[in-house]
Amino acid sequence: GAVVSQHPSRVICKSGTSVKIECRSLDFQATTMFWYRQFPKKSLMLMATSNEGSKATYEQGVEKDKFLINHASLTLSTLTVTSAHPEDSSFYICSARLSGTKETQYFGPGTRLLVL
Amino acid sequence: QKEVEQDPGPLSVPEGAIVSLNCTYSNSAFQYFMWYRQYSRKGPELLMYTYSSGNKEDGRFTAQVDKSSKYISLFIRDSQPSDSATYLCAMIKSGSEKLVFGKGTKLTVNP
Repeated sequence: GAVVSQHPSRVICKSGTSVKIECRSLDFQATTMFWYRQFPKKSLMLMATSNEGSKATYEQGVEKDKFLINHASLTLSTLTVTSAHPEDSSFYICSARLSGTKETQYFGPGTRLLVL
Repeated sequence: QKEVEQDPGPLSVPEGAIVSLNCTYSNSAFQYFMWYRQYSRKGPELLMYTYSSGNKEDGRFTAQVDKSSKYISLFIRDSQPSDSATYLCAMIKSGSEKLVFGKGTKLTVNP
């Protein structure tokens, strides 16, 4: 149990285009999902916290107009990188927290984005 | 000083060895402690989580928390080549929902 999927697993796009990444909790409900970014050989950096049915809370320094987050249901959150640039190339990982718990966050497999 | 300190390694051990991974933290507000394993180019996998000081065992893995010293450990017994990965400690403060990660320790278990 507690499986989180992400789609796509890898995407290559041209500079200026927008890319949407989906995060799904497959076998549990998640009122809260988190989006992280990870650079090579670095730890995870929290970008935003997404609560179902409400606006996401962004971490300091993360542009909310660039990284649009939607959490429309208890099992789906999406991250859209708008007008992507090469510096947005990174490994994006989502996690979903089991409803009613504090400590159990389950992570997706990640999406590798390369902007040319 | 970072809130959570973790030696990035790399750590290389022979198969069958006991591995000890550690993190220290500076803020006593941290109440929940987790260990994640991350294989290359994959998302982190939750291995263990603990709330109180003491030991928690799951198969070959033992998590240890010492709140008085602000020190947590993960022990891996009878290490296997498949344990080769980066191990991340993570913590949550009381009243928060955010995970604060250590830098991760890269472990290689040699056959």
